[in-house]
Amino acid sequence: EADIYQTPRYLVIGTGKKITLECSQTMGHDKMYWYQQDPGMELHLIHYSYGVNSTEKGDLSSESTVSRIRTEHFPLTLESARPSHTSQYLCASSDRDRGSYGYTFGSGTRLTVV
Amino acid sequence: QKEVEQDPGPLSVPEGAIVSLNCTYSNSAFQYFMWYRQYSRKGPELLMYTYSSGNKEDGRFTAQVDKSSKYISLFIRDSQPSDSATYLCAIDTGRRALTFGSGTRLQVQP
Repeated sequence: EADIYQTPRYLVIGTGKKITLECSQTMGHDKMYWYQQDPGMELHLIHYSYGVNSTEKGDLSSESTVSRIRTEHFPLTLESARPSHTSQYLCASSDRDRGSYGYTFGSGTRLTVV
Repeated sequence: QKEVEQDPGPLSVPEGAIVSLNCTYSNSAFQYFMWYRQYSRKGPELLMYTYSSGNKEDGRFTAQVDKSSKYISLFIRDSQPSDSATYLCAIDTGRRALTFGSGTRLQVQP
């Protein structure tokens, strides 16, 4: 059973709307990540956090923002959704002691902007 | 040049076949290699990881790293329909987070 939860699983929203994708983990992991995944394409890192109040942009330019006020919570916000934001968003966490190969992923949020 | 490249497939095999999935990577300094399995409408789950070179076996799955060729492989013996999924290789480049391949979609036909 997954210990990292993403909501909503599916979201269809109109252009210009503000949305927040939720990600919570119950494992006490310090590191958390947001990846974007399009069909047949590699996962692209868009944001990461090494702990509370620590957030950085990833390799893929993104118009989204993130926050890390609590260890277990790492929400991603789009201030004004556009059709180009249509994609699957995956949240992951890892345990510093186990190293980077200890990633646990959520089931993802599939976002469609119309 | 991409840091890791993976053939997207799809790969279709009959039940019981031996499956070989492969990735190439660009930097010989990379040392941690992983394979993730992703079922449809789910997030990836860690299948195997290897450090440096050599083989690692876990049941029907074998992960192999050839550092001289910068090539990593995942072998599945006696493949089952339940193995049908997308398989992603991942590399720890030592930077911020894992770098993933694009995934190979595998279909095992009963």
